[in-house]
Formats: sequence, C-alpha cells, structure tokens
Amino acid sequence: DVKVTQSSRYLVKRTGEKVFLECVQDMDHENMFWYRQDPGLGLRLIYFSYDVKMKEKGDIPEGYSVSREKKERFSLILESASTNQTSMYLCASSLLRGEIAKNIQYFGAGTRLSVL
Amino acid sequence: DQQVKQNSPSLSVQEGRISILNCDYTNSMFDYFLWYKKYPAEGPTFLISISSIKDKNEDGRFTVFLNKSAKHLSLHIVPSQPGDSAVYFCAGDGSSNTGKLIFGQGTTLQVKP
Repeated sequence: DVKVTQSSRYLVKRTGEKVFLECVQDMDHENMFWYRQDPGLGLRLIYFSYDVKMKEKGDIPEGYSVSREKKERFSLILESASTNQTSMYLCASSLLRGEIAKNIQYFGAGTRLSVL
Repeated sequence: DQQVKQNSPSLSVQEGRISILNCDYTNSMFDYFLWYKKYPAEGPTFLISISSIKDKNEDGRFTVFLNKSAKHLSLHIVPSQPGDSAVYFCAGDGSSNTGKLIFGQGTTLQVKP
C-alpha cells in the first residue's frame, strides 16, 4: 500500500511565523504535490515537483515555497504566515506517468493549519 | 478559468437508491478522468477512472459515464449506502508527463438510512 505521511494533523501558528509542512512518501514516486482545500473551492494546486530539486508553480503559489532535497520528502513553506492561509493542506504523490499508473495520485491525511 | 466544474455542491439520496454526481469540463486535451472520495479529516482516495476513448467504466457499485461531445461525465453509485456519504471530486488529466490533475470543486453526498 502506498503511504503518504504528513507530519502534523493540526497546527496553530501566529501571523508572521515561518511554517514548515512536511510530507513523506514510501513508494519511490517521482511526482509530489501540495494542495490546499477550502470549502467551495475544491483542491487547488500550490506547487508540484517531478524530481529531486525540481519544482513547478501550481495555480496559487503566492506566499508559499517548497523544497525537495530527497525523492521521498516534499516540504511546503509559508515564509510569513497570514490569516488567509488558514486551510486544509494536502500532500500527494504519483508515479511518473505510465500506462498502468494512469496518473493516480495518493494523498496524505492532511494538515489543518490555523493562522491566528 | 475553471477547467473542471462540479456545479452541485451537495446531493442527498435515500439508502438503496441511485446517486448521480455530475462533472463538466472545458479542456478537450484531457485524456483521463478520475473520481476521488474524501471523508472528513482524511485525504482523498482514488475511486474510479475512465479513459477519454471510452464512454463507460464500471467497478462494482460505481460506474462512470463519459459524454465527450457534451464534455460531461457522471458517477453513478448503485445502490447507495450510508458509508458512501463523503465529498466526491472529479479530476481531469491532460498532463503529458507532469502528473498534474485538475480538480473540480467537489460535491458532498449524503446518503440517508
């Protein structure tokens, strides 16, 4: 079974703090993704990475950065947390596209971040 | 530009009846569509997919239909069970080699006993 683990289920931070969200996958997947989920807006892609040290902006990258130093680990960084970054953050991973994989993404349980 | 849309935020059905969740898309380059199911406090889990060259894919109680001319797909759950109560997301895949999916807003399904 694919396992995607997010380091925290709940986080409470103060405005202006630097926040690190960590994600680890154990299936040797090339692709990793960070999303945020907000009511009525679905899953919005923040950043993704298709290889170590590679990163691509998603649809809403402003206020975020990422780091992928090892294949299994993808970190999301909020440089200076703001209240509008209060959300559910979801990490996912997938195999490099192939016939069998059909681009199925496997998700972690999520981190609910509150910025006060 | 919202490439994948789920226009119904919520749906309520009686246990044993059919649930139909709808999804519309604008991008003709999608070559796969996927449905995910999400329970509260858990991450989404893959449910079923369909290739753009097919019009139907069935897996147990779950069937996905694709109408390419209308750019519309639907997920049918028959019979619906209370454990099916969750948020359902459809997603389009036209990513070539990036693995990127485009998700809809989600539909919350409630199945009443």
